[in-house]
Amino acid sequence: NAGVMQNPRHLVRRRGQEARLRCSPVKGHSHVYWYRQLPEEGLKFMVYLQKENIIDESGMPKERFSAEFPKEGPSILRIQQVVRGDSAAYFCASSSTGGETQYFGPGTRLLVL
Amino acid sequence: DQQVKQNSPSLSVQEGRISILNCDYTNSMFDYFLWYKKYPAEGPTFLISISSIKDKNEDGRFTVFLNKSAKHLSLHIVPSQPGDSAVYFCAASAYNNDMRFGAGTRLTVKP
Repeated sequence: NAGVMQNPRHLVRRRGQEARLRCSPVKGHSHVYWYRQLPEEGLKFMVYLQKENIIDESGMPKERFSAEFPKEGPSILRIQQVVRGDSAAYFCASSSTGGETQYFGPGTRLLVL
Repeated sequence: DQQVKQNSPSLSVQEGRISILNCDYTNSMFDYFLWYKKYPAEGPTFLISISSIKDKNEDGRFTVFLNKSAKHLSLHIVPSQPGDSAVYFCAASAYNNDMRFGAGTRLTVKP
């Protein structure tokens, strides 16, 4: 009866490298959401996905960030050419249907050196 | 655009007393509201929710009140316990399922 799983829990990258964050939703959940929490700030919505579809990416930076939720496998948040300002905690949440309560994973803490 | 606001960054209460955390929103399309609790280095944990068709929802020591006309909701914790010390996030979603969070209120319950 696993909840939302995220890996890695901690990720260190140098400027210019790529970061790939994975999220496995609660079994049976087909809706995935990504949020970012910058130091001393609240959670900011980034993107909402259903299987193989991006429903809303209004919170995603226009460049370097992308997300997918394939038919099989986890959802991936990908950050290309990371910069120091990308250092944050990235949380994934899932729900069984849209509009339902979202359940959060433990987060991935990204540190860009 | 800050659609969900928690204007108090911190709150300190004595053990056994009531904690009241407040939240305001601006988007009248929001129809589902939630409170999450977050400990350091952990993901947010769902606490309680309320639909816009209700004005109160109670679960044990936690009660959420919704005032749609004022676009305001609050979370009451009574009696407060030291283990309640955490950051509390208010969240709201609209029919299109996106959820927006407030900046959080850090609650400290003193023994």
